[in-house]
Amino acid sequence: QVTLKESGPVLVKRTDTLTLTCTVSGFALTDATMGVSWIRQPPGKALEWLAHIFSNDDTSFSTSLKNRLTISKDISKSQVVLTMTNMDPVDTATYYCARALWTPHTGSWFDTWGRGTLVTVSS
Amino acid sequence: ETVLMQSPGTLSLSPGERATLSCRASQSVSSSYLAWYQQKPGQAPRLLIYGASRRATGIPDRFSGGASGTDFTLTISRLEPEDFAVYYCQQYGNSQWTFGQGTKLEFK
Repeated sequence: QVTLKESGPVLVKRTDTLTLTCTVSGFALTDATMGVSWIRQPPGKALEWLAHIFSNDDTSFSTSLKNRLTISKDISKSQVVLTMTNMDPVDTATYYCARALWTPHTGSWFDTWGRGTLVTVSS
Repeated sequence: ETVLMQSPGTLSLSPGERATLSCRASQSVSSSYLAWYQQKPGQAPRLLIYGASRRATGIPDRFSGGASGTDFTLTISRLEPEDFAVYYCQQYGNSQWTFGQGTKLEFK
């Protein structure tokens, strides 16, 4: 059974750096057809893709946020870590990690999601 | 960056009716590099459709996806009470993922 679980602080202050951890099970972070993304959703708003790490450790970031994001993984712990610098109240959102599958015929999509973690940024 | 525009923003229908949700890309995308998700309050999104028209595991056949150029559709043939939720489209290209702003399907 594939599962992903987010963990991290529920409250951070403006200008803090946020560190979130996604612990996965049921699949390998080294599988070439899979990767892990972070996606966020402000309260009452739409989903926003943030960052992705591929099986070969390549990374990709949202154009609008790339200067604030890093993503890495620890194979031994089955974890993917996202950091976001210079947090602001507008970054208040539920942060999800999700497994992305890929094929050349069907592109890439998110088949399994964590439950999400709500992060509030205080001013 | 490809922008996905979903319409309508809100769709008011009754159980048993047919729902058609649209997703238009701002530029050319692969006709099969599109997915649809359903999200209910307090829950993570659930994958419905990938590859524009392939149903995910366990998704009822009343859900179907279609594509024509930069226009994509999600059709729910006969609405069940549990189908009232928010629906998002998502595309992939050049190692970037993009979501639409969502369509809320509500009871009429």
